[in-house]
Amino acid sequence: GENVEQHPSTLSVQEGDSAVIKCTYSDSASNYFPWYKQELGKGPQLIIDIRSNVGEKKDQRIAVTLNKTAKHFSLHITETQPEDSAVYFCAASIPQAAGNKLTFGGGTRVLVKP
Amino acid sequence: ETGVTQTPRHLVMGMTNKKSLKCEQHLGHNAMYWYKQSAKKPLELMFVYNFKEQTENNSVPSRFSPECPNSSHLFLHLHTLQPEDSALYLCASSQAGYGYTFGSGTRLTVV
Repeated sequence: GENVEQHPSTLSVQEGDSAVIKCTYSDSASNYFPWYKQELGKGPQLIIDIRSNVGEKKDQRIAVTLNKTAKHFSLHITETQPEDSAVYFCAASIPQAAGNKLTFGGGTRVLVKP
Repeated sequence: ETGVTQTPRHLVMGMTNKKSLKCEQHLGHNAMYWYKQSAKKPLELMFVYNFKEQTENNSVPSRFSPECPNSSHLFLHLHTLQPEDSALYLCASSQAGYGYTFGSGTRLTVV
């Protein structure tokens, strides 16, 4: 089955700096890569996703890049703000007849210091 | 209501109790999922339902029993749980595996 590794497990940045989280996946058949943000006491919330036919996607201060050859993808947050503090999860999904199934990375706890 | 709603938000139960978790999605999605989230492990998939048919049971102990009466509702029936089952239980829905939307979860404590 698919295996997703995520690094770093914790990340502390100064407000205004950039944050980068990296994930690798094992199954080359994976074709969908979403990122989730989880705040305290809440469920994970989808913040951006990318499909395998795209190399990069941006949405305001966040961007995701995908390197299918190397089987890794990254989340970039620019101009970080205190409200970006949360746990971030990457995931990879393999197409299946019964519908895609996500495999999650271990999460990255991001702390933005004012 | 919109999105994915889970009830109750918090639950404390004894090891001999029987309780149920409820999940409802208002997104018109065709797939629903139960995940377990504990402090020491990443999100663990428990069950998958597509068009209310169970398509995956990820080696979950029989003390957890899912039920999906229709594409909008999902239950997790709990009985004779162990303290190590204490965790955040998350429900999610998707449209054929895309656009996963999670509920806020049920924080379960087994005493």
